[in-house]
Amino acid sequence: KAGVTQTPRYLIKTRGQQVTLSCSPISGHRSVSWYQQTPGQGLQFLFEYFSETQRNKGNFPGRFSGRQFSNSRSEMNVSTLELGDSALYLCASSWDGTVYGYTFGSGTRLTVV
Amino acid sequence: EDKVVQSPLSLVVHEGDTVTLNCSYEVTNFRSLLWYKQEKKAPTFLFMLTSSGIEKKSGRLSSILDKKELFSILNITATQTGDSAVYLCAANTGNQFYFGTGTSLTVIP
Repeated sequence: KAGVTQTPRYLIKTRGQQVTLSCSPISGHRSVSWYQQTPGQGLQFLFEYFSETQRNKGNFPGRFSGRQFSNSRSEMNVSTLELGDSALYLCASSWDGTVYGYTFGSGTRLTVV
Repeated sequence: EDKVVQSPLSLVVHEGDTVTLNCSYEVTNFRSLLWYKQEKKAPTFLFMLTSSGIEKKSGRLSSILDKKELFSILNITATQTGDSAVYLCAANTGNQFYFGTGTSLTVIP
């Protein structure tokens, strides 16, 4: 059974650019959540999508957005990149959201220069 | 403000030692407490705790939750170098998980 797949694994972008990250959940999982992980802040919740609808949202600016497709794959977009957006972005899927634990992907390491 | 605090931030032990990692939480509508192990990138699930006082065990790892004092501990006995990782705890509120910053464990041969 394939795990959670995130692409790309590494990205280097320049300030002001935008970026799109992709996450393919485990087959059958309908919930996809995104987290930003930095050394000082730990894992911070960005948003959760369930059946193509954003169900929960963390405290991030509007530059961070996402969507989910009918096959449960999800994308996260960050516009007008800032140096502080450099982080490991993890997505996690689960069958129905927060009732059970997540399965995490290996993440996308974004570096903004 | 919902928050999860882990201690210590980092720990260095020798193989064979026993370690205790701490996780305290203050969240509204608490539902469960989860522990994850993060070795390189993807955190992997260890335990989910919902009831106070009931120990969960998996090999040399065990965990318990105290819902009155709002904390959980993760014990690792007879540590091995393969236990070196960041251990994360997360409090589930039903809407989302609140993660602590993690405890970095290094096990020296």
